[in-house]
This record gives sequence, structure tokens and C-alpha cells, in this order.
Amino acid sequence: SYELTQPPSVSVSPGQTARITCSGDALPKQYAYWYLQKPGQAPVLVIYQDSERPSGIPERFSGSSSGTAVTLTISGVQAEDEADYYCQSADTSGTYQVFGGGTKLTVL
Amino acid sequence: EEQLVESGGGLVQPGGSLRLSCAASGFTFSIYNMNWVRQAPGKGLEWVSYISDSSSTIYYADSMKGRFTISRDNAKHSLYLQMNSLRDEDTAVYYCARVPNKGGMDVWGQGTTVTVSS
Repeated sequence: SYELTQPPSVSVSPGQTARITCSGDALPKQYAYWYLQKPGQAPVLVIYQDSERPSGIPERFSGSSSGTAVTLTISGVQAEDEADYYCQSADTSGTYQVFGGGTKLTVL
Repeated sequence: EEQLVESGGGLVQPGGSLRLSCAASGFTFSIYNMNWVRQAPGKGLEWVSYISDSSSTIYYADSMKGRFTISRDNAKHSLYLQMNSLRDEDTAVYYCARVPNKGGMDVWGQGTTVTVSS
């Protein structure tokens, strides 16, 4: 079955830049999406189609794609950005959707 | 306000059945594809099933095939998940989520908790 791989954790100090990567063989063919989830809450879409930002999402959130990896970048990290972040995409056929294992962002 | 509200979760014994519902409001439900996603306690997100706007296309994750059935009633603005032959490992919070044309999932419900235990 298709898998997306993320680092389990990333730590940054406030004001620094956090980068979370997600790798998968089908990423050159399928868009990636990013969600943040805070404890006890539903996920929130923060990036769609690799690099687009939904309305209402702060400009410090950005996405990029290169080959079999996509990256979520949070510039000028704030304490409120501490959350679990998940990438999501589909297999090459577009039939099966998959989430990465999630990355816990800790703001030191 | 665009909103999804799940219901129907609860405690069920292994081998039992449960039907989840998701009520949509604040948007035209009938033109959107929909997903069910679940999250086991302390674990990550897992995609469960997808249904297109007209119900013509349906997909399931492999571990749910043959046990779960997704459906919708556009007249009632509602999405459903019939879960049969439940296992301990199906214990999770189940979310319904809207799939826009640009893909991804842009509106989520608050989730309903399913606990499978004897």
C-alpha cells in the first residue's frame, strides 16, 4: 500500500522557520495537502495543491514541491503554531487517499 | 456558516455494527464529494472512504472493504457510514470531511467517537 513519510517531530524557537517534509513516490503525479491539528480539535487545511493557501490561513504558512517530496514551511513560528501537522495525497491512480504519519511541531 | 456534524458513535462489542451520520449545513451538499477519516486514540489520521457527489464513485481503504459502506442522501444533506463486523482496531474518532474541486478536505466535522470493546 502507498505511504507518505514525515518526521515524527520538529522543534523550533519562536520566530524561527520550521520546515516539515513529506515524501512519497506518487507526489510528482498527485497534489499534496497539509493540515494542522491541535489537541482535541478537528484538522484544519493549511495548504492545498502543494503550495496554495486557503483564505484565512496566515501568510507565514507556505508549501513547495520537488520531485518525490513536498515541504510545509512556517516562517516566523509563533507559539500558537504548536500542533500536529499531516500531509495528505493519493496514490498514482487517485483511488486511495493517504495521510502521512504526522509531525509534532514543538515551539521551544 | 459551513458546518458538518457527525453523530451515531458509541460503544459496541466486537463483531457488532454501527451507523454513523454526518449532517451538512451552510453549503450546497449535493455538489461536493465527501470523505470519512478516522483517528485512533493517540494515533494519526487514516482515510476511510470516499463518495462522489452523485454517489457514482465510491472508494474504501483496504482494511474497510467488505465491512464498511458509505452512502449519502442529498435530499437530506447527509452522509452515512455503515460499519459492520467491527474490530477492536476500529476504535477511533470518525470525522466526515468535505472534498472541494481543488482536492483535499476543507471542512471537517467535530468527530464522533466509536469504541469497540467487550
